[in-house]
Amino acid sequence: AQTIHQWPVAEIKAVGSPLSLGCTIKGKSSPNLYWYWQATGGTLQQLFYSITVGQVESVVQLNLSASRPKDDQFILSTEKLLLSHSGFYLCAWSLVWGDQDTQYFGPGTRLLVL
Amino acid sequence: QQQVRQSPQSLTVWEGETAILNCSYEDSTFNYFPWYQQFPGEGPALLISIRSVSDKKEDGRFTIFFNKREKKLSLHITDSQPGDSATYFCAANTNTGKLTFGDGTVLTVKP
Repeated sequence: AQTIHQWPVAEIKAVGSPLSLGCTIKGKSSPNLYWYWQATGGTLQQLFYSITVGQVESVVQLNLSASRPKDDQFILSTEKLLLSHSGFYLCAWSLVWGDQDTQYFGPGTRLLVL
Repeated sequence: QQQVRQSPQSLTVWEGETAILNCSYEDSTFNYFPWYQQFPGEGPALLISIRSVSDKKEDGRFTIFFNKREKKLSLHITDSQPGDSATYFCAANTNTGKLTFGDGTVLTVKP
């Protein structure tokens, strides 16, 4: 069975500090991977997606970057955090690209920027 | 322009009643509509989904009704239980892999 793990579970960071969030998918080969951001009580906004290792596409510009160093790993990062980066970060995966795409979400990382 | 709209923002029903959550969309190229259930502090979980070639999808107490002409769909939760209390998101997908979410409906089921 596939499992999706996100780390850390929660972070409290200072404005201007760097950030790195991770996501690992086990049990699926070559999944499509996604990063989402969710404000407290808000909707989900897709940030990045990756179809294959080394390739990442940006959906919105939020002074964040993403990388896919391994087939089962997706990293979200920034060198300087903003207050607006606070929220819930979710990693998701799917197997089929396009209109047959069903995305499955991880447990999320809660980020508070002070 | 918001592509996917949900109503109501919040809904309270009594245990055993049917909860009806509404969703509408703008983009006629949307062809796949998953509904996600999210509990506080957790990631969304896929609840049920429908493709635009169908007008109804049923899974236990959960049913999606889809009206392609009017670009509307609804999620019906029959025999609602307190454990169904959560936020429900309607989402829409095109062949680009981009999933667009509505703002969600917060459902409260009172015992």
